[in-house]
Amino acid sequence: EAGVTQFPSHSVIEKGQTVTLRCDPISGHDNLYWYRRVMGKEIKFLLHFVKESKQDESGMPNNRFLAERTGGTYSTLKVQPAELEDSGVYFCASSQGLGGWDEQYFGPGTRLTVT
Amino acid sequence: DQQVKQNSPSLSVQEGRISILNCDYTNSMFDYFLWYKKYPAEGPTFLISISSIKDKNEDGRFTVFLNKSAKHLSLHIVPSQPGDSAVYFCAATAINDYKLSFGAGTTVTVRA
Repeated sequence: EAGVTQFPSHSVIEKGQTVTLRCDPISGHDNLYWYRRVMGKEIKFLLHFVKESKQDESGMPNNRFLAERTGGTYSTLKVQPAELEDSGVYFCASSQGLGGWDEQYFGPGTRLTVT
Repeated sequence: DQQVKQNSPSLSVQEGRISILNCDYTNSMFDYFLWYKKYPAEGPTFLISISSIKDKNEDGRFTVFLNKSAKHLSLHIVPSQPGDSAVYFCAATAINDYKLSFGAGTTVTVRA
């Protein structure tokens, strides 16, 4: 069974540009999460999808970030326009059930560098 | 505000000895706690968990202890092996929640 995949693995863009990150969850997982780790600090929750619906986007930093999940399958996270403080590693995770006790499987992350 | 804290950014231990990683939390609503392990260029992978109704959970070489009154948990690895060298994240959530709150991680280095 394939794990969570993320694309690209690394992206370097200039301040003001747009970047779109993609996540493909494990097949059959209704729950999809985005997290971010900045500068070696804690991994922070960004948002949570159940199928194609946003359940919670309380962790989204601001309206420069837009997440979508088309048809309840893969998800994209767009940053427009990117700022220097957006640099970090963006992780996607997926799980079958609903609840923190249900194991979340993480992808390898996308390292975003904004210069 | 950071609700889960790992105050030791790094830990170096000799192979065969015990590794003890500590984690503190502030949110009294948390009732489920997890440890994740992360290798470079990979995502975190689940290691072990414990619910608030227990004070200890063991899985092979890994044991997690929970002290609810102190809002403190620890992960013991015995004996430590070179393959245990990684970043360990403490995470917490509530049973009726879904998002995980993570600490900043502790980098463990096991010396041969």
